[in-house]
Amino acid sequence: DGGITQSPKYLFRKEGQNVTLSCEQNLNHDAMYWYRQDPGQGLRLIYYSQIVNDFQKGDIAEGYSVSREKKESFPLTVTSAQKNPTAFYLCASSPGGPVTGELFFGEGSRLTVL
Amino acid sequence: AQSVSQHNHHVILSEAASLELGCNYSYGGTVNLFWYVQYPGQHLQLLLKYFSGDPLVKGIKGFEAEFIKSKFSFNLRKPSVQWSDTAEYFCAVNAGGNTGKLIFGQGTTLQVKP
Repeated sequence: DGGITQSPKYLFRKEGQNVTLSCEQNLNHDAMYWYRQDPGQGLRLIYYSQIVNDFQKGDIAEGYSVSREKKESFPLTVTSAQKNPTAFYLCASSPGGPVTGELFFGEGSRLTVL
Repeated sequence: AQSVSQHNHHVILSEAASLELGCNYSYGGTVNLFWYVQYPGQHLQLLLKYFSGDPLVKGIKGFEAEFIKSKFSFNLRKPSVQWSDTAEYFCAVNAGGNTGKLIFGQGTTLQVKP
C-alpha cells in the first residue's frame, strides 16, 4: 500500500541523548514535512523539504536537524539542544508541482524524555 | 505573522445535533484553506479544502465549510453529527507561496455522545 511510514511509534529517551525518527514514503512525493503536535497547540512546522538535498527551517527548528538524501526518506533528529522534546511528531508529504496543500500524514511517533 | 485560531477547544454534542466549528486566520493576501480530521488512533486526513470559486465547499462525510473573506473565517459545519464524527479537527491555512507549508490552528476536540 502507498503511504507514509514513521518509526518507531513510541520512543523513550534520556535527557542529553540525541534520537532520530524515521519517515519513509512510497508515494513518489517531492515534498516532505515534519510537524510537532502538542495538546492545545495544534501542529507546528519543524522542517520541510521540497526536493532532494534541500530543506528549510520551519517555525520551531531549534534543537532539531534533518537530512534529505533520498526522495523517499526524511529523517528527523531531535538533539539534546531541544529544550522540551517530549511530543508527538508527525511526518507528511505532498506532491510537487502546483501546490495543492493536501498533506498526507504518517501515523506519528511519540517521543518521551525521561 | 500568519496565524490560525480555532475558537472551540472541546465540543460535546449529542448525535443528530448540528455542528459548527469556528476558524479565523490572519493574512491579508490570497489563501488556501483546509480542514483536517484526526480520528482516534488514525492519522490526520483531509476533510475539505478551499482554493477559489464557490465559497461554500463540501467535503467527505457530509461536512461543509464556508469561506467568508471579509471575516477571515472558514467555519466547518455539519447538519447532523454521528458518534463516528468523534475526532480532533484542525483548520489550516497555506499562505506561503509555493512551499506547501501549512499553518494549523490549535485543534478542536469533538465528542459526540450516542
